[in-house]
Amino acid sequence: DAGVIQSPRHEVTEMGQEVTLRCKPISGHNSLFWYRQTMMRGLELLIYFNNNVPIDDSGMPEDRFSAKMPNASFSTLKIQPSEPRDSAVYFCASSRRQGNQPQHFGDGTRLSIL
Amino acid sequence: AQTVTQSQPEMSVQEAETVTLSCTYDTSESDYYLFWYKQPPSRQMILVIRQEAYKQQNATENRFSVNFQKAAKSFSLKISDSQLGDAAMYFCALNFGNEKLTFGTGTRLTIIP
Repeated sequence: DAGVIQSPRHEVTEMGQEVTLRCKPISGHNSLFWYRQTMMRGLELLIYFNNNVPIDDSGMPEDRFSAKMPNASFSTLKIQPSEPRDSAVYFCASSRRQGNQPQHFGDGTRLSIL
Repeated sequence: AQTVTQSQPEMSVQEAETVTLSCTYDTSESDYYLFWYKQPPSRQMILVIRQEAYKQQNATENRFSVNFQKAAKSFSLKISDSQLGDAAMYFCALNFGNEKLTFGTGTRLTIIP
C-alpha cells in the first residue's frame, strides 16, 4: 500500500515568494495533519482536518499560512509571502479516525527560504 | 494542555545491549494514547510502538517494549539487542480522541559497534 505522499521533497526559494506544499493521504484515511519540525520548537501541529473539514488551526503561525483539503485525497499548505523563519521540515500525516488509529507520516518537505 | 517530556537529549548503547529511553507526560484526559516514533537521518517518522492508556499490559513489538506506569505518567521505551539500524532520534508522543500528537523534544540514540 502506498504511504502518505508529499511533494516536493525539497524546496528552496527566495523570501517573498509563494510556496505550496502538497500531500496525498493514505487511501481510506479520513484525518489529515500538517506538522512543522524546527530545531527551536521541535515538532508542532499546524492544522488538522477530519473528513476534509479543518478542525484545529490554532497552530498556524499567522495569516501568511493557509491550508486546504478540497477532497479526501489531496491537501495543500501554502505560505504567502514566505520568510526565512519559515524554513523547516513540514510533515503531513494521515490516520483513520475510528478507533484512534496511529498517524502515518509522509517523508516531509524540507523548505529553505533564502 | 498536554505536555511530553524527554529528559535525555542523547543516549548511547553498545550493539547487542539493551537501552531504555525515558518519557514522562501530563494530561488531564483519562483515555489517551502514547506512541514512540523513530526518525532516522532520512527524516522519515516511523511508528515504533503504541500504548492505549486503558490497557494495563505493556505493549511489545519484537525487540521494542514499553514500561507504562499510568499513575506516575511515565512511558519508557526499552530496546533489546540493539542494532546499528536503531540509531535515530526517538520521539515520545501523546494524543487523545484522534486529535493532534503532542511530541517530546526527542532523544538521539547512538549505537556503538
